[in-house]
This record gives sequence, structure tokens and C-alpha cells, in this order.
Amino acid sequence: SAVISQKPSRDICQRGTSLTIQCQVDSQVTMMFWYRQQPGQSLTLIATANQGSEATYESGFVIDKFPISRPNLTFSTLTVSNMSPEDSSIYLCSVSQRMNTEAFFGQGTRLTVV
Amino acid sequence: AQTVTQSQPEMSVQEAETVTLSCTYDTSESDYYLFWYKQPPSRQMILVIRQEAYKQQNATENRFSVNFQKAAKSFSLKISDSQLGDAAMYFCAYRRNQGGKLIFGQGTELSVKP
Repeated sequence: SAVISQKPSRDICQRGTSLTIQCQVDSQVTMMFWYRQQPGQSLTLIATANQGSEATYESGFVIDKFPISRPNLTFSTLTVSNMSPEDSSIYLCSVSQRMNTEAFFGQGTRLTVV
Repeated sequence: AQTVTQSQPEMSVQEAETVTLSCTYDTSESDYYLFWYKQPPSRQMILVIRQEAYKQQNATENRFSVNFQKAAKSFSLKISDSQLGDAAMYFCAYRRNQGGKLIFGQGTELSVKP
């Protein structure tokens, strides 16, 4: 299994600002994903982070709001831009070492926007 | 589009007893994977068990087992000899073959009474 370090674990931010969340994996992985979990809700995929190219976004999520970087096979960042209280959620990084293997998750970032 | 449904928002079980969590899904594909994840209050998503659709045999992991009914598109999780540490939110998830991303159900919150 992969060991995933996600930072920060939590943050309280002012509306209109941006926060960058980091996801570091202890081994090279093929696939990296970013999920959002709104309060009391299930997980929804934001995007697939592609190494060396633009992320693939799901319907309802756009690059201007959630820019994602993935410079190599062990690291990715998600930025939540121009935040509003509606962005208050848990954001989770997930990785799979190969296409059809298990997905492992970071410990999540609890974001509160005030 | 694939969907995953968990019709039990909350379940309760007495310690040492057995409980079954329900999950149904909808897909037109024949090859896919199903998972149960556990999310305790720490937010960490933990893989409980996985089932490949092409396998007829139900997956088992210690006290956790599934009842996979492919024709009925049903994937229930049975927890035997429930322990206090089993208390958590449980999510059923679907992933198509070669797909990578997970589609989650709404979750079932399991409480364990001593």
C-alpha cells in the first residue's frame, strides 16, 4: 500500500483567498485524484491529476476554481481559489498504483471558509 | 452513467453481533470493481474489502464479507462479531474496469452499542 501525506490537515480561511493543499506519496503511482466531501455528504470526484499535463475535471468543476498540478509521479497540489463559505469541505487526495488496483486516501484536509 | 445507492443512512448493532449494510448499483458494464470503505471520525478513508465483478466467489477479509449478486446489482457488507472500533461511516464504491476513479454511495453511519 502507498503512504500518503496530505497537508495541511485543516485550515480556516477568509473568503476571497486561496488555499493550496499538497499530496505527497511515498512511491510512484499511476493515478492521483482529488475528491471533495461536503459536510455530512459522500465523496465527489473533482478531477484526475495527470502527470505533466492538465488535469481532467469532472462536470461541475473548473480549472479556474480548482487548479491542480502534478509535476511528477509522487506529488500533486490542489488549490481552492477565491474561496466562499460554500467551499467549506473535506478535500481528499487519492492514489492508485496501477489502473485496477486499490485506491488509497490521504487523511484529508478540513477547510472552513469564514 | 453509473450510480451507487446506499438506502440505510444509519444502522446500529450490538457489540459481538452481526450487521449487514446494503448497497445497490447501476451500470451497463460487465467488468468492474466494487469496494467498501470505512471512514471513522478521523476522516481517514480505509479500504475494508474489494470484489471483482468477474469473480463469482464472495470476498472475505477476517470479520468482513460481502454478498455480491451481480444480476441483482447488489453488494452488501456483513460485519461479524462487531467491535466498538467498527463504528464509522461506511461507503460503498464502484469503479469500472480500467477506469481509475471511484463513484461512491451516500454512506451508512454504523454505531456499535456496548
